[in-house]
Amino acid sequence: QSVLTQAPSTSGTPGQRVTISCSGSSSNIGDNYVYWYQHLPGTAPKLLIYRNNQRPSGVPDRFSGSRSGTSASLAISGLRSEDEADYYCATWDDSLRGPVFGGGTKLTVL
Amino acid sequence: QVHLVQSGAEVKKPGASVKVSCKASGYTFNIFYMHWVRQAPGQGLEWMGKINPRGGTTSYAQKFQGRVTMTRDTSTSTVYMELSSLRSEDTAVYYCARTIAVSGNVEFDYWGQGTLVSVSS
Repeated sequence: QSVLTQAPSTSGTPGQRVTISCSGSSSNIGDNYVYWYQHLPGTAPKLLIYRNNQRPSGVPDRFSGSRSGTSASLAISGLRSEDEADYYCATWDDSLRGPVFGGGTKLTVL
Repeated sequence: QVHLVQSGAEVKKPGASVKVSCKASGYTFNIFYMHWVRQAPGQGLEWMGKINPRGGTTSYAQKFQGRVTMTRDTSTSTVYMELSSLRSEDTAVYYCARTIAVSGNVEFDYWGQGTLVSVSS
């Protein structure tokens, strides 16, 4: 049971916009930055969004993040086949005194 | 260029211990925490703990307290994660990942390639 809640799966067609949500509490998302990671099978996770809505160099602007209250979202526009992956939200938890991850959302591009 | 290179796959029996290494290069070793994150088959990412290479201080997730030990060798820029009393549920891919040495930082910008640890009798 993950501290942060994500839907197990979502899907979209090429060119479509999809949103992945992450729900937490006042001790984690409500009080700390949110990060998003993309994880393809057999590879290391990749930082996609940091500090709620910032993109590292090299991450396309099709990816965007937001945070509101105790929830956060990752939006992917102009969906492409190579976006098919698992997406994880992460943040610091003040009560647990450590990083926590969501359970991950598997994105399928139909 | 930053690289985190982990040791190879391990097969262990229940009750044994495993020690995984992560050799860092391409940056100043002492100014980044090194974390360990694992992913069991069909499961999500799970934070295990971190080590501050500067003084060797550690912080472990409560779930692993008493079973995990993280150490570092500053002469080779290598960190180690040892997990003891292995059980089948510890079968997972183990990753090292760094963050800038600031409390509360979850910005894992570089990751190792992962080490598969299989626990089976």
